Amino acid sequence: DAGVIQSPRHEVTEMGQEVTLRCKPISGHNSLFWYRQTMMRGLELLIYFNNNVPIDDSGMPEDRFSAKMPNASFSTLKIQPSEPRDSAVYFCASSSRGGRNTEAFFGQGTRLTVV
Amino acid sequence: AQSVAQPEDQVNVAEGNPLTVKCTYSVSGNPYLFWYVQYPNRGLQFLLKYITGDNLVKGSYGFEAEFNKSQTSFHLKKPSALVSDSALYFCAVRDGGNTPLVFGKGTRLSVIA
Repeated sequence: DAGVIQSPRHEVTEMGQEVTLRCKPISGHNSLFWYRQTMMRGLELLIYFNNNVPIDDSGMPEDRFSAKMPNASFSTLKIQPSEPRDSAVYFCASSSRGGRNTEAFFGQGTRLTVV
Repeated sequence: AQSVAQPEDQVNVAEGNPLTVKCTYSVSGNPYLFWYVQYPNRGLQFLLKYITGDNLVKGSYGFEAEFNKSQTSFHLKKPSALVSDSALYFCAVRDGGNTPLVFGKGTRLSVIA
């Protein structure tokens, strides 16, 4: 398996522009998580899905952020409009149905820079 | 709610010496604990996990972790550090099934030749 695949790896955009980050989870995994990593706040959970259904989006910082999972093999995280403080590394992770003792597997991340 | 604490932002150790990266946890039920490593410009890689059973868990790259219920700790250890072990290490806990991992703030390990 190729693991969790995220695209793009790097994104530089101007303030006010729309940004879409993409994630392909590991085949057969039923849970998907979006995290954000910054120096100041470390790893923050933004939102997670079980069986393509959003379960908890309380970590999404503002209404400018939205996430979808239209099917089991694809998810997007969208920021519209983007702001410089959104600059961070965004990680997608997935895990299988094994329950609480199951580890999550992370993608390589998307480094977002908003100028 | 579950949480983990990593009390050290930075750990420095000489190559060949044993290393320990500390983690304490707080959960309402049985703990399910994990360690991850992050190399520069990479995602998090799973190292090992504690579910139940032996208190000493062995993982990837020669790492192990010791679960101590009375001290609510899950310290990461390696008998002999390598320069290539230098990275950012995260402890994490999971409560219910298919719920997100909750991560500590991370500890930067620096192994000096």
